[in-house]
Parts: sequence; structure tokens; C-alpha cells
Amino acid sequence: KQEVTQIPAALSVPEGENLVLNCSFTDSAIYNLQWFRQDPGKGLTSLLLIQSSQREQTSGRLNASLDKSSGRSTLYIAASQPGDSATYLCAVKLGSARQLTFGSGTQLTVLP
Amino acid sequence: DGGITQSPKYLFRKEGQNVTLSCEQNLNHDAMYWYRQDPGQGLRLIYYSQIVNDFQKGDIAEGYSVSREKKESFPLTVTSAQKNPTAFYLCASKYTGGLDEQFFGPGTRLTVL
Repeated sequence: KQEVTQIPAALSVPEGENLVLNCSFTDSAIYNLQWFRQDPGKGLTSLLLIQSSQREQTSGRLNASLDKSSGRSTLYIAASQPGDSATYLCAVKLGSARQLTFGSGTQLTVLP
Repeated sequence: DGGITQSPKYLFRKEGQNVTLSCEQNLNHDAMYWYRQDPGQGLRLIYYSQIVNDFQKGDIAEGYSVSREKKESFPLTVTSAQKNPTAFYLCASKYTGGLDEQFFGPGTRLTVL
């Protein structure tokens, strides 16, 4: 069974710092991996989707990488801003599965 | 505006009652999903539907029921058989082909009194 882990559970950084969020998964036979942002009491906003054949995806200040062989993905946020404060979740889809398996998220606080 | 809507935003239920959560999408997506989120945890899949009039159980389907009579709608009923229903419920949808990216609604917070 696929397990997805995100460490740390919470992270605080000063504004302007570059940071990396981590996501690890146990089954490397993934179809894709998706990073989401969740603000308190809200739904999930899709940030980046990486297909299994890709190594990274970029959107603005965000860059997500994927290393299937080591079972890891990272979300890099450049020049962090207080508005980036949220919980970031990663989710993995196995090739044979119909569903996503989610990590429990990293709660990010960017201090002004 | 295209998107996924969920209603109500907040729902209170007395023990022993059934309640139904609404999920509607106008994105012309084929697949729809219901997830449950508990504090500090990731999302867990309750039910999903790939096409109209068909749906499948997810990891935690006990105490829940769904229907998919229209492509746009995928309501979730939380029955009295669900022993711990207080949670945040999220609906999602996607195309069955293409990029395979899931999009989420704003959620419904259910509290049992």
C-alpha cells in the first residue's frame, strides 16, 4: 500500500527566504504527483502536477521536482512571502490506481 | 465562472440523523470524488465515480452513500451508521484523460452535536 510522508509537519521562516518542502512515497510505480495548497478552512488549490516521465515542473516562484527511484519529491518556494503561509499537501497516484494518496501536509508560516 | 461548488459550508447534525452534502461542477469533468479530512491529517477517499450511474467505494466508505444521476452532481449522504462523522468534507473532480489533475471544491464542515 502506498504511503506518503511529509516532514516537517510545520515550518516557520522569515520573509524572503527560499525554502524546500519534502514529500516521500513508498511505491515508486507512480503515475503522477500533485502538490496542493490549503488555506485554513478552505478547499485545496492545485499548484503543480508532475507526470512520472518528468523530473520537474515550474510555476512562478514554485518549482517541484520528482525522483521516482528514491521515492521523493520537493517543492521549492523562492523568495517566500507572508501570503505563502498555508498548508502544503502532496498526493501521489499509482499507475494502477483510480485515486490519490495524500500526505498529511506541511503547515508553512512565513513571518513578515 | 467554471468551478466546483459545495453546500452548505457548515452543517450541524444531531446524532441519529442522516445528512446530505451537495457537490456540483460545471467543468464538464467525468470523474468526481469525495474525501474526508480530519485535523492534522491528509485526505482519505470515501467514494468516487468515473461516469454517470457508476461509483466505487474508497478507503473509508462505511456509513456513507452516494449517487451519480447527473454528470454535474455527486451528493454524499452521511448516515447514522457513520460513528464519527465530524470532519471537513471535500469534493473533487477531473477529466478521466488528459493531465489527470484533480480540482477541489471549498469544502463542507460537518459537526455532530
